[in-house]
Amino acid sequence: DTEVTQTPKHLVMGMTNKKSLKCEQHMGHRAMYWYKQKAKKPPELMFVYSYEKLSINESVPSRFSPECPNSSLLNLHLHALQPEDSALYLCASSPDLGGEQYFGPGTRLTVT
Amino acid sequence: EDQVTQSPEALRLQEGESSSLNCSYTVSGLRGLFWYRQDPGKGPEFLFTLYSAGEEKEKERLKATLTKKESFLHITAPKPEDSATYLCAGRDFGNEKLTFGTGTRLTIIP
Repeated sequence: DTEVTQTPKHLVMGMTNKKSLKCEQHMGHRAMYWYKQKAKKPPELMFVYSYEKLSINESVPSRFSPECPNSSLLNLHLHALQPEDSALYLCASSPDLGGEQYFGPGTRLTVT
Repeated sequence: EDQVTQSPEALRLQEGESSSLNCSYTVSGLRGLFWYRQDPGKGPEFLFTLYSAGEEKEKERLKATLTKKESFLHITAPKPEDSATYLCAGRDFGNEKLTFGTGTRLTIIP
């Protein structure tokens, strides 16, 4: 099973809202990732968790706050977003840091 | 700075017309070259990992190859369902992040 699940599939939020994106994998992978992807662009790395500890933070604005409650779950908390944050948010996991990454279907986020 | 460049940006082929997509990289000390397929509005789907020059991997109509400076994704007798954006990404020693190319948008015309 190489499935990474993400919820919700679509999210529309205002600039004053607080929402969370969720990601789950049951492949026993030890590394999990958040990416942001704008239309016709490649995915941009935001955060990496390895063994439930933040490993890489690509200088993402503080209005994005990651959380890794356990090795199977990864959340992305959103607060006071801007319209330019509208994008496809992708979660991925890999057996360990550096291995092939398996992506979820993404959450299409629209900030109004 | 690590760079991954893909060409062409877009490619239209007739069904059954074989071709190749190119991925050139300047990742020093390459520790993996990855190919993904992405359909519109969906997450990338992992296809192949290549680690050393001369390595080849195949899956159905796709074959990926690696040299010291570039990788090719060969598609043989493609079908319309092969239409997608194909992304390659490189990773180097001491850097756990992937550097993605901008992708090749492949369209197979029935």
